[in-house]
Amino acid sequence: TQLLEQSPQFLSIQEGENLTVYCNSSSVFSSLQWYRQEPGEGPVLLVTVVTGGEVKKLKRLTFQFGDARKDSSLHITAAQPGDTGLYLCAGAGAQKLVFGQGTRLTINP
Amino acid sequence: EPEVTQTPSHQVTQMGQEVILRCVPISNHLYFYWYRQILGQKVEFLVSFYNNEISEKSEIFDDQFSVERPDGSNFTLKIRSTKLEDSAMYFCASSDYAEQFFGPGTRLTVL
Repeated sequence: TQLLEQSPQFLSIQEGENLTVYCNSSSVFSSLQWYRQEPGEGPVLLVTVVTGGEVKKLKRLTFQFGDARKDSSLHITAAQPGDTGLYLCAGAGAQKLVFGQGTRLTINP
Repeated sequence: EPEVTQTPSHQVTQMGQEVILRCVPISNHLYFYWYRQILGQKVEFLVSFYNNEISEKSEIFDDQFSVERPDGSNFTLKIRSTKLEDSAMYFCASSDYAEQFFGPGTRLTVL
């Protein structure tokens, strides 16, 4: 069974601080996707990483895929209140996504 | 921008009743999926569908569940006899191959 563990599960920081969220597994995934989910809504795709060691940037968000394609990280620089939300990582299996439990991020003004 | 749509947004039903959840995937996508999310828990895979047949299903997707693509645009999930534990958000997703795009979900409440 493929599992993804995200840490931390909850993170509350002040505006302007930096943070990193981790997504770890013992399984290898063909790709890994990061989503953001607002309450009562569906996950919204932020980025897909495919190659081991790949780094992708989306404004102040930096996503990295581990060399062995088993783990990933999301780093946010100078966090803003608009970054508040639930961040999900999901590993791509044969015909499905395996989701982590999510990191609930709160950025305080 | 193309998006996945789902109807209804909220469905309330009595235990034992049949429900059909509807999805319109992104038009040029070929792969379709259903996931569910019980309140406070992680998103769980139910089933994937390609070329008019199920390509993979989870243990959750038992004989009470079925999927169908009745025409060129809709993708449906049917639960034949709902149980209390079926109460959850149900998400449809579609992909052209790698990246999956999710709909807004249907909140199913079984009383």
